[in-house]
Amino acid sequence: DPKIIQKPKYLVAVTGSEKILICEQYLGHNAMYWYRQSAKKPLEFMFSYSYQKLMDNQTASSRFQPQSSKKNHLDLQITALKPDDSATYFCASSLLGGLNYAEQFFGPGTRLTVL
Amino acid sequence: QQKVQQSPESLIVPEGGMASLNCTSSDRNVDYFWWYRQHSGKSPKMLMSIFSNGEKEEGRFTVHLNKASLHTSLHIRDSQPSDSALYLCAASRGHNYAQGLTFGLGTRVSVFP
Repeated sequence: DPKIIQKPKYLVAVTGSEKILICEQYLGHNAMYWYRQSAKKPLEFMFSYSYQKLMDNQTASSRFQPQSSKKNHLDLQITALKPDDSATYFCASSLLGGLNYAEQFFGPGTRLTVL
Repeated sequence: QQKVQQSPESLIVPEGGMASLNCTSSDRNVDYFWWYRQHSGKSPKMLMSIFSNGEKEEGRFTVHLNKASLHTSLHIRDSQPSDSALYLCAASRGHNYAQGLTFGLGTRVSVFP
């Protein structure tokens, strides 16, 4: 059974519209992240949350808003979509608080295409 | 310029051969390196991580780290066609802090039979 669920797997949107990407993790982790991967660019960190609090934000645009209703749930709302937003969005999670550095596990991704 | 530089961009390796990948961080504050493997159309999966100077081996994979130069390398011996993938190097700093990883562009490895 998949431990990190992302919905939908594929998403097509028109320029200017708004979409929400869903992420749930069942690994018992206490930190969640959003990353974006597009052609010719490195996998790019966007946000991190722990216990539903924003921990780090590397996204300049306010069009991207994370939403956490539960500890194991972190959605990503994107407004005023642009073709440049087309990318695969990965959710990740990790368990903080141990002795070792916390490995981040990635979900299967949502591929977003903006027309 | 990317904070994490990987080389080469791509690598063709014969089955059974050795693949050597390089990664350097320009951020002097990083203290931990990660190697992820991403097969086509899939999500990245962690292969190995290292934070101490020296070498670490797990099966066919060996990772080296030189903290002074912030350079790490990944070596895959006895390469298999299933090793064909994009190999991503990432760096992080801090411990037990929900900080994002900084990734390089990756090295695409193709193993031919």
